Amino acid sequence: GEDVEQSLFLSVREGDSSVINCTYTDSSSTYLYWYKQEPGAGLQLLTYIFSNMDMKQDQRLTVLLNKKDKHLSLRIADTQTGDSAIYFCAESFTGNQFYFGTGTSLTVIP
Amino acid sequence: KAGVTQTPRYLIKTRGQQVTLSCSPISGHRSVSWYQQTPGQGLQFLFEYFSETQRNKGNFPGRFSGRQFSNSRSEMNVSTLELGDSALYLCASYSGAVPSGANVLTFGAGSRLTVL
Repeated sequence: GEDVEQSLFLSVREGDSSVINCTYTDSSSTYLYWYKQEPGAGLQLLTYIFSNMDMKQDQRLTVLLNKKDKHLSLRIADTQTGDSAIYFCAESFTGNQFYFGTGTSLTVIP
Repeated sequence: KAGVTQTPRYLIKTRGQQVTLSCSPISGHRSVSWYQQTPGQGLQFLFEYFSETQRNKGNFPGRFSGRQFSNSRSEMNVSTLELGDSALYLCASYSGAVPSGANVLTFGAGSRLTVL
């Protein structure tokens, strides 16, 4: 359950939608998470999804989970410059083991 | 409710020295995890402590060690520092209870270690 992969960089224009993708290898994960890291700061939880769900929406954020393909995505609608950060997906097993992806650096162009 | 506090925020050491980093979790949280973040490797899990016992351990050499005190505060130590140990060390806490829902990790701002 340790292979969680993300593309390294994503660049979008302000006002467009951003889609950050994540693939994982272990299907026994219970929850999948998205964290955001701003420069000089720790990680902040954005949202999470239970592994038996397909989708979760939370204001501008939409999480899609394709368990068959082991693919997780985070869509940010109406992306703002304040959304520029590194985004990490993570999976957990039995609640106390977490594995993080490599992180995707999102740059929002004004 | 105070967040996760890590000290020091920045430090510079030389090769061969040792370093101790401290983490105070959110009040009531009994689990503390440590991660190493580097540009090339991303976030790597070091270890997790729960009620003063190491519960999980990542794939790091024995130079990396940790402990947790009865008040849940945790320290990690790196001995015989190498240049490759330069990184942001992040601490995260959660309640540690058997989950009936998602366990949310709350992270500190990190300790930035530079080894010269």
